[in-house]
Amino acid sequence: KAGVTQTPRYLIKTRGQQVTLSCSPISGHRSVSWYQQTPGQGLQFLFEYFSETQRNKGNFPGRFSGRQFSNSRSEMNVSTLELGDSALYLCASSFGQYTGELFFGEGSRLTVL
Amino acid sequence: GENVEQHPSTLSVQEGDSAVIKCTYSDSASNYFPWYKQELGKGPQLIIDIRSNVGEKKDQRIAVTLNKTAKHFSLHITETQPEDSAVYFCAAPPNTGTASKLTFGTGTRLQVTL
Repeated sequence: KAGVTQTPRYLIKTRGQQVTLSCSPISGHRSVSWYQQTPGQGLQFLFEYFSETQRNKGNFPGRFSGRQFSNSRSEMNVSTLELGDSALYLCASSFGQYTGELFFGEGSRLTVL
Repeated sequence: GENVEQHPSTLSVQEGDSAVIKCTYSDSASNYFPWYKQELGKGPQLIIDIRSNVGEKKDQRIAVTLNKTAKHFSLHITETQPEDSAVYFCAAPPNTGTASKLTFGTGTRLQVTL
């Protein structure tokens, strides 16, 4: 069974640009969550999608957005990039909202110059 | 919201020794406590979890204990091996029911030396 797939794995952008990251969950999983990981702030919850609807949102500015498609694949977008957005963005999937175990992908490492 | 504190930030043990990592949480309504292991260049992987209706859970060399009164839970690794070297995170969800919105601890870098 394939794991959570995130693309791209690495990318470099400049301030002011925008970026879109993609996540394909494990087959059959309907919940997709996104986390930002930085050395200073650690792992922080961005948002969660279930059945194409955003169910929870973390404390991030509106520049961070996401969506989920009918096949459970998800994308997150960051607009007007800032230097502080440099981070590892992790996607996690689970079968449902309340099932517990999150399966993480290997992440997309974003560098903002 | 939930606040999770984790100690120590780094831990070095000799192969074969035991390692203990401790976490405290703030939301008394939290009822699910997972532990994740993150190896270099990879995403976190769940290694064990515990729900609030039990006080201890074991899986081979790994165990987790929970003290709901004191609001703390601990990870115990016995007979450590070099492949146990990684960063370990504890986590807890808010009391909204979803287990996907986790608040993570700051991580413990475990180094198992030969």
